[in-house]
Formats: sequence, C-alpha cells, structure tokens
Amino acid sequence: DAKTTQPTSMDCAEGRAANLPCNHSTISGNEYVYWYRQIHSQGPQYIIHGLKNNETNEMASLIITEDRKSSTLILPHATLRDTAVYYCIVRTGANSKLTFGKGITLSVRP
Amino acid sequence: GAVVSQHPSWVICKSGTSVKIECRSLDFQATTMFWYRQFPKQSLMLMATSNEGSKATYEQGVEKDKFLINHASLTLSTLTVTSAHPEDSSFYICSARPRAGKIANTIYFGEGSWLTVV
Repeated sequence: DAKTTQPTSMDCAEGRAANLPCNHSTISGNEYVYWYRQIHSQGPQYIIHGLKNNETNEMASLIITEDRKSSTLILPHATLRDTAVYYCIVRTGANSKLTFGKGITLSVRP
Repeated sequence: GAVVSQHPSWVICKSGTSVKIECRSLDFQATTMFWYRQFPKQSLMLMATSNEGSKATYEQGVEKDKFLINHASLTLSTLTVTSAHPEDSSFYICSARPRAGKIANTIYFGEGSWLTVV
C-alpha cells in the first residue's frame, strides 16, 4: 500500500471548517484513500473513503485531487468533540489491511 | 450499524497469567478480523489478521505462541495474551471487515481493551 504524509498537528476554531491535508504521491490506480479518527483512549472511527471522486457523508467531505496524489478531509463545522488524531490511509481494496501512520492531531479550540 | 464490541474494556492481571479479550461484530458477519496494539502516544500497530475458520496471519515480530488468536465464528474473534508480562501492558484494539453488503469495503473498530499487567 502507498505511504501517506500528514502534518503533525493543526488547530481550528470551533464552528469553522477544518481542512486536513494528506499526501499520497505514490498511490496507484486501484488504491483507495480512507480516513479514520481516534479520540483519546477509544478505538478508531471510520469517517469516509474514496477512490477518485469527491465524497461526502454526514461526517465529512473528501476531496481528492485529479492526479490522486493528495486529498483533503473537510469537517465543515468543527466542534470540540472533533478534537482527535486523524489518520489518512491508502488501502488497496476490500481484502487488504489498514496500516496506520502517525496521523494528524486536530485540536478544536473554543 | 457496523458495531464492533470488545470485552473487557479494561483488565488487570498478574504477571505470568493469561488473559483473553473478545471481539464481536454485533450487527454484521465478519470474514476477517484484525488485532492491533497501541502503546501510549504511539500509533496503532497491526498484530495479526484472522479469517474465520483458519489460522491467523501474524505480522513480523509478533509471537504467535504468545498472542493466541481464535476466530471461531463469523461474529467472534478472541485474543489471548499468554504468560503476560508488564511489557505486554497496552491498549488492544480489534477491527472487523463485513462479509458483504455496502459496508463490505470498510473496516470497523472496537472500543479497545486496556491491559495492565502487574
């Protein structure tokens, strides 16, 4: 699976959009981009995933660049409960495992 | 939907004893379950992959005789830490991949189990 690169941390104000970037320049055509988050002392929570089209669900939006070498997770209206470590993971397909990197720590401030 | 439950949430055991952690998929059948370990301030590290009815596949450096994994049914996998030592103290997390349906491409995680060996 391709490797991902994320900033170590970022913060945003409550109520504002949080845009979390991820680089995956070695991604191949059959690899998906997955996002999970882990709130302190809990198991990771699935957020969203995509292949090449932008995706949106009730939690977030995923914007994937046309060359698929990077993506951005958007939390449209961040709340204090969104403070967590967010992991961007590239995965080959349904039968492959998830390999976690260090993720990005998002701190939402009041 | 897609709920994965672990039990116990936390456990304290004496050094040298064994402890079992259960992972259940509550509302779906899981052909594959994964076990991770996470030390404080570190990321999740995959320990092993288990498929229902077959032997688990362990990641490099993980002792299969120490971390026994059983995946006896499509909704239950267990991790047994044998002859536990203080260095085995960690946060153990399981995850499961649904067998079929729209959610089959996604892996869902349990709440995690804290193990402290004293």
